[in-house]
Amino acid sequence: ETGVTQTPRHLVMGMTNKKSLKCEQHLGHNAMYWYKQSAKKPLELMFVYNFKEQTENNSVPSRFSPECPNSSHLFLHLHTLQPEDSALYLCASSQEPVVGNTIYFGEGSWLTVV
Amino acid sequence: GQNIDQPTEMTATEGAIVQINCTYQTSGFNGLFWYQQHAGEAPTFLSYNVLDGLEEKGRFSSFLSRSKGYSYLLLKELQMKDSASYLCAVKLGSNTGKLIFGQGTTLQVKP
Repeated sequence: ETGVTQTPRHLVMGMTNKKSLKCEQHLGHNAMYWYKQSAKKPLELMFVYNFKEQTENNSVPSRFSPECPNSSHLFLHLHTLQPEDSALYLCASSQEPVVGNTIYFGEGSWLTVV
Repeated sequence: GQNIDQPTEMTATEGAIVQINCTYQTSGFNGLFWYQQHAGEAPTFLSYNVLDGLEEKGRFSSFLSRSKGYSYLLLKELQMKDSASYLCAVKLGSNTGKLIFGQGTTLQVKP
């Protein structure tokens, strides 16, 4: 248990569906992140939120839409995805700026687009 | 661009010592992380180096040389449960948790 909870753990969706991934952190952190982990590829940063404000969008297609209503919750809204978007989506949180702090990851949401 | 290299796979024997290397070339540097990730699970934090030298934590140690853009993770007294992927990641900025990851090293520990 890392203090970062993601739901659902597994999701299968069609290319025309709309679904959302949810992340909640219980660590009192002020920064949250979405990462994507595809097979045979390094973890890729998608979005960064500091104090609920998006500070980075790493050239992510608009079919992925993040939402951060407060410092503890982060959503990733999904619509009209492609099969190549099938991957493990990881949420993470940290306290910034603190030197030597740890970034904690959730268990991830396995997404399959059919 | 950002580049982090680590071997794709390694195999070692239970009870032995293994060293996983990581080299990096990044636009910024504010520390290097090592994470362990078992199949189907979240990455879990192992170590963090921001200054040159060796950090020891039980069976795990991590070394950093900033001038060489090099780090390694040393695992001693290997156990079967150490079979996992080991991820090297560089923190780019001082006020952000943005990490750039290597592709990960899959370690298989054999009896």
